[in-house]
Amino acid sequence: GEDVEQSLFLSVREGDSSVINCTYTDSSSTYLYWYKQEPGAGLQLLTYIFSNMDMKQDQRLTVLLNKKDKHLSLRIADTQTGDSAIYFCAEIHGSGNTGKLIFGQGTTLQVKP
Amino acid sequence: GAGVSQSPSNKVTEKGKDVELRCDPISGHTALYWYRQSLGQGLEFLIYFQGNSAPDKSGLPSDRFSAERTGGSVSTLTIQRTQQEDSAVYLCASSRDMDTQYFGPGTRLTVL
Repeated sequence: GEDVEQSLFLSVREGDSSVINCTYTDSSSTYLYWYKQEPGAGLQLLTYIFSNMDMKQDQRLTVLLNKKDKHLSLRIADTQTGDSAIYFCAEIHGSGNTGKLIFGQGTTLQVKP
Repeated sequence: GAGVSQSPSNKVTEKGKDVELRCDPISGHTALYWYRQSLGQGLEFLIYFQGNSAPDKSGLPSDRFSAERTGGSVSTLTIQRTQQEDSAVYLCASSRDMDTQYFGPGTRLTVL
């Protein structure tokens, strides 16, 4: 079935690294995504990774993909209070990069000063 | 350029009324998606349109929900005879063919 799982809450101190984990079920997903949602706002695309990659780095963000275990993680280096938000992992069901997104429940990241 | 826009931003309606929610995708994007976000169900896919192909309606929760996309651009999501469980934030996204989805700010629907 379609299921993406995330832990619900993570609290870190400003300046520390944050690691948000996600597991997914569809081994045929070609792309996996991380979206950020700030309070009262829509979904902002943070980054995505193609399934033939193990790692992708984009400034303070590092995405790791373990296809064997169907595990995706997002690491935020030097976490700032502005990073406080809900982070959603998503896999795509469809052809290539077109199709419906299946989202996890979202991880609320709390950054303490 | 301009992002995905949605209107209204907030809609309060009485149970049993019909509502229409509008989405203007990013210019040139061929694919358009509707999702909804509610406390109990999280983020759920509703429907998507891809070019001239028949839409994928597999996520619509009941036959009270319908959507159309006119001229390959603007889309309207219609909910007939609204129920309290329809209260949610309705999100629209668009993408170029074979590209990532970009989301609008959403319409918060409250059914009293």
